[in-house]
Amino acid sequence: DQQVKQNSPSLSVQEGRISILNCDYTNSMFDYFLWYKKYPAEGPTFLISISSIKDKNEDGRFTVFLNKSAKHLSLHIVPSQPGVSAVYFCAASAKGGSEKLVFGKGTKLTVNP
Amino acid sequence: DVKVTQSSRYLVKRTGEKVFLECVQDMDHENMFWYRQDPGLGLRLIYFSYDVKMKEKGDIPEGYSVSREKKERFSLILESASTNQTSMYLCASSLLAPPYEQYFGPGTRLTVT
Repeated sequence: DQQVKQNSPSLSVQEGRISILNCDYTNSMFDYFLWYKKYPAEGPTFLISISSIKDKNEDGRFTVFLNKSAKHLSLHIVPSQPGVSAVYFCAASAKGGSEKLVFGKGTKLTVNP
Repeated sequence: DVKVTQSSRYLVKRTGEKVFLECVQDMDHENMFWYRQDPGLGLRLIYFSYDVKMKEKGDIPEGYSVSREKKERFSLILESASTNQTSMYLCASSLLAPPYEQYFGPGTRLTVT
């Protein structure tokens, strides 16, 4: 029973365009959402987070949008460059959830020159 | 900068061997975690520790145990390694404060033959 779903295992985007990675969740007790990036043979690195009381958070080229009514969030990367090709994980934490994160299965983003 | 280190980047062990994976964090974080990452399955939580000598089972604890004798060190033990435990193992640590961002080590690629 997946509480955090990333329905696209892979995404291919042209360099310079916008990359949009999507994530859906089922648990309405989630109060924080996070995005991580992972290169092969490295550990995931934190990118950006958003609280459930907000609908948008921006950090440089990364923007996360949250639609609570749809239980959906998305990560926008503008512009896409080959260096952002990686696996992106969506994660969520729940109130009273022992500070554990629930991760999606990841989306592999490939930016083509 | 938070640093999480893991004792080995690559490890090859034989079936039936007892395997120790060590993780050390230098930021005085209360929480520490062990995950395994497999293609198509994302990050799966094996064990979690929220304090010295305290531990909690994650989603896939079977075949694993953990030890946390000091706050900065969290060990994962494979009591009797099996080929289905061949995987990438990732250690992480986090604070108790939202958004409960986890900091990951570089990972250990374990192969059991």
